[in-house]
Amino acid sequence: QVQLVESGGGLVKPGGSLRLSCTTYGLTFSDEYMAWIRQTPGKGLELISYIGNSGSPTYHADSVKGRFTISRDNTKNSLFLQMNSLRAEDTAVYYCATPADSSIIFWGQGALVTVSS
Amino acid sequence: DVVMTQSPLSLPVTLGQPASISCRSSQSLVHSNGNTYLSWFQQRPGQSPRRLIYKVSNRDSGVPDRFSGSGSGTDFTLEISRVEAEDVGVYYCFQGTYWPGLTFGGGTKVEIK
Repeated sequence: QVQLVESGGGLVKPGGSLRLSCTTYGLTFSDEYMAWIRQTPGKGLELISYIGNSGSPTYHADSVKGRFTISRDNTKNSLFLQMNSLRAEDTAVYYCATPADSSIIFWGQGALVTVSS
Repeated sequence: DVVMTQSPLSLPVTLGQPASISCRSSQSLVHSNGNTYLSWFQQRPGQSPRRLIYKVSNRDSGVPDRFSGSGSGTDFTLEISRVEAEDVGVYYCFQGTYWPGLTFGGGTKVEIK
């Protein structure tokens, strides 16, 4: 059974940083592209980053480019999202997910990130 | 990026009655390989999204056959033949044809009248 477990969410002040992690179980992590998708009440679901199975290619949406960095450690079956220069509009639930065959197959349970002073 | 537009925003339905959700894309979703990468997701209250349909009309394993997807080009539909209480939630369409900017529709909230 496939499980994606996010951690690292929380409350952070504007301009601050946070690092999200996603540990996966039940899939061959090194074979999979991985992605971060966020959900806000205002903008709905937004795929903000993805990374190839061996670390490239990487993609970051314009809304996070230059501030967020996606990375992975295949030896630990783990995906990461380093978030810097956080803004109020980054407040969202962040999901770890597997984009495959041009769809999204598996989702984590989500990690809430709140950016507020 | 391709814009995905769903309607209606909210859909009150009587139990046992059919429901239909529309999704339109700003560009044709037919890939150069001939496939059309349009998926549908269900998000029940308090849960993560779950895929129901992929490549327009293919149901995922475990998805009840009352759910069906159809359409082509830029116009797509998700239909629920007889709505049950467990179908309450928000439904999203998603295009996987145009990388890297994969995009979701804005969502349709299905509720029981």
